[in-house]
Amino acid sequence: AQKVTQAQTEISVVEKEDVTLDCVYETRDTTYYLFWYKQPPSGELVFLIRRNSFDEQNEISGRYSWNFQKSTSSFNFTITASQVVDSAVYFCALSEARTNAGKSTFGDGTTLTVKP
Amino acid sequence: KAGVTQTPRYLIKTRGQQVTLSCSPISGHRSVSWYQQTPGQGLQFLFEYFSETQRNKGNFPGRFSGRQFSNSRSEMNVSTLELGDSALYLCASSPEGLAGGRGTDTQYFGPGTRLTVL
Repeated sequence: AQKVTQAQTEISVVEKEDVTLDCVYETRDTTYYLFWYKQPPSGELVFLIRRNSFDEQNEISGRYSWNFQKSTSSFNFTITASQVVDSAVYFCALSEARTNAGKSTFGDGTTLTVKP
Repeated sequence: KAGVTQTPRYLIKTRGQQVTLSCSPISGHRSVSWYQQTPGQGLQFLFEYFSETQRNKGNFPGRFSGRQFSNSRSEMNVSTLELGDSALYLCASSPEGLAGGRGTDTQYFGPGTRLTVL
């Protein structure tokens, strides 16, 4: 069975601080896909990144960066120099390639509050 | 391209009634998945449709059903509503969904329908 754990329920930082959101996953598949989504107060889940299990290269996109480590089954997300607009709920999700088409398993989310 | 659209955005029903929610996927996307989001249970997968067929199903009672039309638009129906059905219902579309070792598409989500059951 697949499982995603986001241990941090809420995080509060002051603007310009760096913040890392943790994600730990469990799966029996050797091929799987990991995602991060942002959910602002409007409710719509906004896709941020997708990472394939066979590609452990870390990625940076502007102020966002992701650290994927298969050895520890983690896919952590770092926001550098946080801004108030980053305030949202962030979800980590897992999809298995072998079965379960069209299904993602989500973590419980981390609510990030960035204060001015 | 226009994003995933869901209608209605807000809905208030009473216990025992039934409700139908609609989702129009991104043009060209053939896979539509539905999720229920509640404060207590988080985001849970309901089902996925591809080419008018339900291809995958989560652990929800039979009161939850869906269908997909030939233009890939999908509807979700909940019969005999219960208070616990109050939630944000999210629809996600992807080109193919895929499975069986062929990879998986990225899902793009709509704004959701917020259902309140009184």
